Formats: sequence, structure tokens, C-alpha cells
Amino acid sequence: GAVVSQHPSRVICKSGTSVKIECRSLDFQATTMFWYRQFPKQSLMLMATSNEGSKATYEQGVEKDKFLINHASLTLSTLTVTSAHPEDSSFYICTAWDNNQETQYFGPGTRLLVL
Amino acid sequence: GQQVMQIPQYQHVQEGEDFTTYCNSSTTLSNIQWYKQRPGGHPVFLIQLVKSGEVKKQKRLTFQFGEAKKNSSLHITATQTTDVGTYFCAHNSGGSNYKLTFGKGTLLTVNP
Repeated sequence: GAVVSQHPSRVICKSGTSVKIECRSLDFQATTMFWYRQFPKQSLMLMATSNEGSKATYEQGVEKDKFLINHASLTLSTLTVTSAHPEDSSFYICTAWDNNQETQYFGPGTRLLVL
Repeated sequence: GQQVMQIPQYQHVQEGEDFTTYCNSSTTLSNIQWYKQRPGGHPVFLIQLVKSGEVKKQKRLTFQFGEAKKNSSLHITATQTTDVGTYFCAHNSGGSNYKLTFGKGTLLTVNP
């Protein structure tokens, strides 16, 4: 069964609104989670590293004030797309690193459409 | 992070034909991973290679890591329609920060 879940799986919102995406590790504790973005027919690009109990580390070119990341517990990281615009429409995927299994698990992804 | 170049971008084959996708780096890679993403789905981990010259097989899939650890390939023998999807290679930067740098992927379509 799935070991990393994401919610919601799909979301449609109006331009200017904020959207929160949750990523949960179901069977293990994840001190580190990663958020990726994938535009249609393109590869996955790392947006940020979510660290439990500390600030997220953002990749170059990713606006930290626009993509708010909170990793308040060892099983949950959230990505909030603030003041979303149509160009933010994308497939957002989180991954979680399981230290015990030394394996990275992918969430099923969240498709965001901003109208 | 270290860049990985992947070719071809697209490949269309007749069912039963073989398929190969290649990843190349200008620098030595500590590892290479391969993922498959079905249309509308999320990437699914296939395998990781870490040793120079390593070859691993999964049924009809053969994965190779070059001797210089700068290139890798995924070969599918006798493709089936279930093989359709995008195949990505990725490099893990390692350490406690398990960041993945993905290649652009190869979209495989199979004509039945």
C-alpha cells in the first residue's frame, strides 16, 4: 500500500487564492521531505527541501514567500501556494525519505489548476 | 547539482521491438536511479545503480551503469503496450540530503 499520501489529489482554484497541499508519511517518520513540480510533458524539478522543525531550503528561483512550506511533525509537510496564478498550474509531488529503509517514497501527486 | 542529459526525448516503437534510453553526465556520478511514470501518474522507482560497470536486470528491463560512471542506459526487450510511459533517470546528491536531479525523460509509446 501507499506509504506517502498527498491531499488533495486534484484542486481547481481561482486566481489570487491560496491552496494548501498536504504530504503525509504513513508508516514511517520523515525528518526530510521534498517538494517537486512537474509541468506538462516536462521533467520533475525540485522546489524545496522540507526539514522537520526548521526552515525549508528552497532551490534557486523558487520564491519562498509564494510557496510556503511547513514541516511541523515527523509525518506531515504542507506546501501552500499563496496568491496562485495560472502559471502555477502544475503537478506537485512530494517525496519522503525513510531513514530505516534508506528509500525515498513518492507521493501520488497533486494536480493544481488555477483559473 | 550535477546535470544529467537524457536522450531521446521521444521514442515510438511497434510492440515487440526493443527500446533504449540513455543518460549522460559530464561529471562522475555516485549513483543513478531510474523511474517510470505512466501517463497521469507519478514516478515510480525502478532501480538504483551505484557501481562502475554495474548491470541489473528486471525481467525484460536491463539497466547499465558505465565504467566511468558518467552514463547509464535502460533497455527494454520486446516492448509491450504496458511499457508505455516516460522513463526518467535521476541522480541522488547523497549524504543526508536526498535530493534528486532528474533527466528530462524519454516518452515511450508502443503501437500494438
